[in-house]
Amino acid sequence: DGGITQSPKYLFRKEGQNVTLSCEQNLNHDAMYWYRQDPGQGLRLIYYSQIVNDFQKGDIAEGYSVSREKKESFPLTVTSAQKNPTAFYLCASSISGQGFYEQYFGPGTRLTVT
Amino acid sequence: SQELEQSPQSLIVQEGKNLTINCTSSKTLYGLYWYKQKYGEGLIFLMMLQKGGEEKSHEKITAKLDEKKQQSSLHITASQPSHAGIYLCGAERSKTSYDKVIFGPGTSLSVIP
Repeated sequence: DGGITQSPKYLFRKEGQNVTLSCEQNLNHDAMYWYRQDPGQGLRLIYYSQIVNDFQKGDIAEGYSVSREKKESFPLTVTSAQKNPTAFYLCASSISGQGFYEQYFGPGTRLTVT
Repeated sequence: SQELEQSPQSLIVQEGKNLTINCTSSKTLYGLYWYKQKYGEGLIFLMMLQKGGEEKSHEKITAKLDEKKQQSSLHITASQPSHAGIYLCGAERSKTSYDKVIFGPGTSLSVIP
């Protein structure tokens, strides 16, 4: 079955530690995205990638970093520079190119930093 | 920057009742998406609308796009407990697909059996 997987489902970290969230897709999509969701707010775009070895900052990239070395994988690192890292993180993928295409979302990772 | 507002913020309905959720944009709407999210889970794509006046239906859910009003509505007929969740609208930022989608804050729907 094609889809997007995110791991782990729940993640706990101490303040000051970097943490990497995993996102893998087997949909053969070129574009991948990372969003952050906070209570009462919509999704906010952190980073996105239209193609392997290329990625762009979204609206709230500060304190985050990504890599896109493989088409299937788009890991997100939450660094200690992110002031408010506790949130629900969602990864998505889509077809890339002319036209509008729906995004397919993973199940999310809930990160708690104390 | 474009903002999307959704109304109502939350909704509690009796099973069998109809309901409507609205998504209003401060700017012209291009591609408009509706997603559903179960609490603590990822988003599931429902429908995409692109043209003014366009209307799409899937099972008991109908979505319409009113380009002039910069608004989209999602209507659920004869609601069921399985319809419960958070409904989010998302809009393309421009006519090209290279600017990304922004999302509304979501409408939380509870359906009482």
